[in-house]
Amino acid sequence: AQTVTQSQPEMSVQEAETVTLSCTYDTSESDYYLFWYKQPPSRQMILVIRQEAYKQQNATENRFSVNFQKAAKSFSLKISDSQLGDAAMYFCAYRSASTGANSKLTFGKGITLSVRP
Amino acid sequence: NAGVMQNPRHLVRRRGQEARLRCSPVKGHSHVYWYRQLPEEGLKFMVYLQKENIIDESGMPKERFSAEFPKEGPSILRIQQVVRGDSAAYFCASSPGSGQPQHFGDGTRLSIL
Repeated sequence: AQTVTQSQPEMSVQEAETVTLSCTYDTSESDYYLFWYKQPPSRQMILVIRQEAYKQQNATENRFSVNFQKAAKSFSLKISDSQLGDAAMYFCAYRSASTGANSKLTFGKGITLSVRP
Repeated sequence: NAGVMQNPRHLVRRRGQEARLRCSPVKGHSHVYWYRQLPEEGLKFMVYLQKENIIDESGMPKERFSAEFPKEGPSILRIQQVVRGDSAAYFCASSPGSGQPQHFGDGTRLSIL
């Protein structure tokens, strides 16, 4: 079974600074997807960024980028130029690339990010 | 296109009552997933359904919980004889096909008195 580990429960960053959120995972599969979701106090689940394991290039979405290290099974999220609206809980998630019963998402416990003005 | 619609947004039940949570997927999506989020935890998979079929229920408690996704109408997650430990946020996600990106609803917050 796949597992996702987010070992830092909380992090804090100064507005306009850069912060990196860590995530590691365990799987025996070679093809899969990794995601970062943001959950603000409204509790919506917002997809921030997605990485396909077969792609070596790290995904980027505006101020958000990932450092995907497949051999180390590490998938960290970097937020540049942090804004007050980035304050939220962030979840790392894994999904198998195979279809059918394996298409569920497996989430980490999350990390609470606070942004200091 | 409307997103995934879940209702009610908040549901309060007394111990022993039944809770019914509804999820209308994105139009055209035939795959629905239910996840549960306990306080201060990540989302945990419960069940995956495709129209009229349960594909994977490996995360569903064996008793009191059931889910359906009929040919017509929303998907329903049903919890019978609720207990305090059922208090959680329940999220539904839908996708157009297996392995396709999942779109989440805003969740139903279930509180048990």
